[in-house]
Amino acid sequence: DAGVTQSPTHLIKTRGQQVTLRCSPKSGHDTVSWYQQALGQGPQFIFQYYEEEERQRGNFPDRFSGHQFPNYSSELNVNALLLGDSALYLCASSLRRVNTEAFFGQGTRLTVV
Amino acid sequence: GESVGLHLPTLSVQEGDNSIINCAYSNSASDYFIWYKQESGKGPQFIIDIRSNMDKRQGQRVTVLLNKTVKHLSLQIAATQPGDSAVYFCAVPTTDSWGKLQFGAGTQVVVTP
Repeated sequence: DAGVTQSPTHLIKTRGQQVTLRCSPKSGHDTVSWYQQALGQGPQFIFQYYEEEERQRGNFPDRFSGHQFPNYSSELNVNALLLGDSALYLCASSLRRVNTEAFFGQGTRLTVV
Repeated sequence: GESVGLHLPTLSVQEGDNSIINCAYSNSASDYFIWYKQESGKGPQFIIDIRSNMDKRQGQRVTVLLNKTVKHLSLQIAATQPGDSAVYFCAVPTTDSWGKLQFGAGTQVVVTP
């Protein structure tokens, strides 16, 4: 049984560009949350998707957007990249919104130059 | 608002000794607490959780203690091994219906021979 998978594992982008990160949840999970983890810090909640809708959002600008597909997979899009967007982006999946059983992927390391 | 904090950024422990990692939380209504382990280059991995109706919970070589009076929890690792070297986070779901995870900054555990 595959856990949470994220792609790509690493990527480098230039300031001002746009990026799309992808996440496939653990089998049987229907809720996907995205977190940003800056170096040396704990993960910060970006947003959560359930039933293909954004249900809750953290303190992130509109440049951060997402999508959830009917198969529960999800994308995170970031527009107009800033140097400060460089971080590890983590996807977590759970069942029916409940974060008591959240499983994390290995993350996507984004570097903005 | 809710916040989660950790007491020490780095903990150096000799192999075979016990490790204790502390965490404070601010919301007295929080009813569920999770410890995660994050190894370099990986996503957070669930270690153990505890609900507010418990004071102590034991797993394999790990014990979590919860003191609701002072809003403090700790993770104890018995007979620390080199494989325990990682960053440890406590995470607290918010008390709204969506329960986004709030993480502390993390404690780096370094196991020395």
